[in-house]
Amino acid sequence: GDSVTQTEGLVTLTEGLPVMLNCTYQTIYSNPFLFWYVQHLNESPRLLLKSFTDNKRTEHQGFHATLHKSSSSFHLQKSSAQLSDSALYYCALSGDTNAYKVIFGKGTHLHVLP
Amino acid sequence: GALVYQYPRRTICKSGTSMRMECQAVGFQATSVAWYRQSPQKTFELIALSTVNSAIKYEQNFTQEKFPISHPNLSFSSMTVLNAYLEDRGLYLCGASVGQGQDTQYFGPGTRLLVL
Repeated sequence: GDSVTQTEGLVTLTEGLPVMLNCTYQTIYSNPFLFWYVQHLNESPRLLLKSFTDNKRTEHQGFHATLHKSSSSFHLQKSSAQLSDSALYYCALSGDTNAYKVIFGKGTHLHVLP
Repeated sequence: GALVYQYPRRTICKSGTSMRMECQAVGFQATSVAWYRQSPQKTFELIALSTVNSAIKYEQNFTQEKFPISHPNLSFSSMTVLNAYLEDRGLYLCGASVGQGQDTQYFGPGTRLLVL
């Protein structure tokens, strides 16, 4: 079945340094949608980015990600971390066009230090 | 814009009792509604997916007998946790999708269930 792998459970870095959160996926579907959701403490997840197009960079609120079907990856990046970026980040996949089903990775907790 | 409300936001129930939670889509027609559970220290597990004109599909480890869902129209869904026990505690999220195919799911704020 479909799956999403986020290798880091916790990423800690200092404000101003670049951010990269890893995400790889497995799916039987040839045209999956990949998403990044961000969840702040005591809030529900909020969509940050989504992509459907191979090798096209998607940007929002300073974050960017590029879907690479050749490597089944959709890593999240930001050039300079801010304190307010501290949150849980979930990579997610939707593969079945008829099922509206979203599979979440385990999440990466980003902790930005001053 | 597309908004999803959930009620109640937080609830406590005694072990062995049942708890009903609601999900309301505002500003769009929710063609499908997915219910997820985020248990402590875990990711989101899909409980079931309810799509208009299709039967509700439950994921492995979740059953209609335990988590009955109602999806009477394109803006409302409810789910009940029957006979709740400690392992049922967590944040229950409703994700509503509009359109066709792989569309963005808009999440409600969740219902946090505590079981005593």
